[in-house]
Amino acid sequence: KNEVEQSPQNLTAQEGEFITINCSYSVGISALHWLQQHPGGGIVSLFMLSSGKKKHGRLIATINIQEKHSSLHITASHPRDSAVYICAVESRGSQGNLIFGKGTKLSVKP
Amino acid sequence: EPEVTQTPSHQVTQMGQEVILRCVPISNHLYFYWYRQILGQKVEFLVSFYNNEISEKSEIFDDQFSVERPDGSNFTLKIRSTKLEDSAMYFCANNDGGAYNEQFFGPGTRLTVL
Repeated sequence: KNEVEQSPQNLTAQEGEFITINCSYSVGISALHWLQQHPGGGIVSLFMLSSGKKKHGRLIATINIQEKHSSLHITASHPRDSAVYICAVESRGSQGNLIFGKGTKLSVKP
Repeated sequence: EPEVTQTPSHQVTQMGQEVILRCVPISNHLYFYWYRQILGQKVEFLVSFYNNEISEKSEIFDDQFSVERPDGSNFTLKIRSTKLEDSAMYFCANNDGGAYNEQFFGPGTRLTVL
């Protein structure tokens, strides 16, 4: 059983659409991370959160600790947002090492 | 902006050979991590390193693997005798506070074992 589940696996959107990617986890966590992986393989941190909501530009991340669920939203999507978005969690008591989901591959068409 | 660098970007080796993957972390960061991603699969944790010793490791990180920080700047991952299944992208990451802190990833080393 995967400790971190993401949905959908693949997502195709038209430019300008509002996008939501979901993440559910089954372990107790100290923090949840949203990461972006580009086609070349590089990984960039988007958000780290342990409660509530964070916003950065057109990206919004929310987390519900009780329901063990997080969402990543992209407003006014753009083709340059095309990438794999990965949810990863730090299990409680760890030294910060991450448990990763399989990722959601987003393709935004012009 | 400071960034994590990794060398080489791509390494091809024969099965049974030793490989050393190198990472130069951001200078004031003290917590170091190695992850790997087999092609088409999710990223997996290998090991975390703090204060010159391993703090956590996964089941993947067996006796064939070792990590060290030989000169206070580079952070290395050594695979003693590579297997075909070690072919993967290897990422190092680091941060300045361990848990509850954003991780900064290197660009990765693609290891191909023939």
